[in-house]
Amino acid sequence: GAGVSQSPSNKVTEKGKDVELRCDPISGHTALYWYRQSLGQGLEFLIYFQGNSAPDKSGLPSDRFSAERTGGSVSTLTIQRTQQEDSAVYLCASSPRQGAGNEQFFGPGTRLTVL
Amino acid sequence: GDSVTQMEGPVTLSEEAFLTINCTYTATGYPSLFWYVQYPGEGLQLLLKATKADDKGSNKGFEATYRKETTSFHLEKGSVQVSDSAVYFCALRGGGSNYKLTFGKGTLLTVNP
Repeated sequence: GAGVSQSPSNKVTEKGKDVELRCDPISGHTALYWYRQSLGQGLEFLIYFQGNSAPDKSGLPSDRFSAERTGGSVSTLTIQRTQQEDSAVYLCASSPRQGAGNEQFFGPGTRLTVL
Repeated sequence: GDSVTQMEGPVTLSEEAFLTINCTYTATGYPSLFWYVQYPGEGLQLLLKATKADDKGSNKGFEATYRKETTSFHLEKGSVQVSDSAVYFCALRGGGSNYKLTFGKGTLLTVNP
């Protein structure tokens, strides 16, 4: 079946612009996660959704970052007023539900470059 | 907080060589441990996992044993192939969280023919 998909695969933007990154989880997966992969920082957790609720936003680096999830499915990560340090690969993952034993399936990522 | 430390690469081996990538962790409680692999141009894939002490995860000839006494989860393979060239990430989940994955920085493995 279809895996986690993300769009766009690449995004180049100018400093100060807003960007939206999209994640389509595996159908039926109730839990959704965003991570960021950057040089020097490795993979960092950003936010977790259970259904449409985000019980843990602790990894969002600043208030320029926000995310929402609608219909228990698609999620959008929005970065406002982008900065060069936001350049990274943004990864989305989903799992059937949260909790021990539930594998997280990752999408291919969106590579964001802020000029 | 939780953290994972893995050996820094890059690691370059010849085909059929023995591979070890070291991974140690710090966590509260009883975490689950994972190895993920990222092949060139592809997304992260779960390679293997172990959910309690002394468990051994294995897949595709790779193995790792959950050692609570040494807080380690070293990845091993007896005979690597060119197709194993990838970035390998050690990760943990649990302790204080049962959903968030905490990753090591990754180790680039290159296997030459």
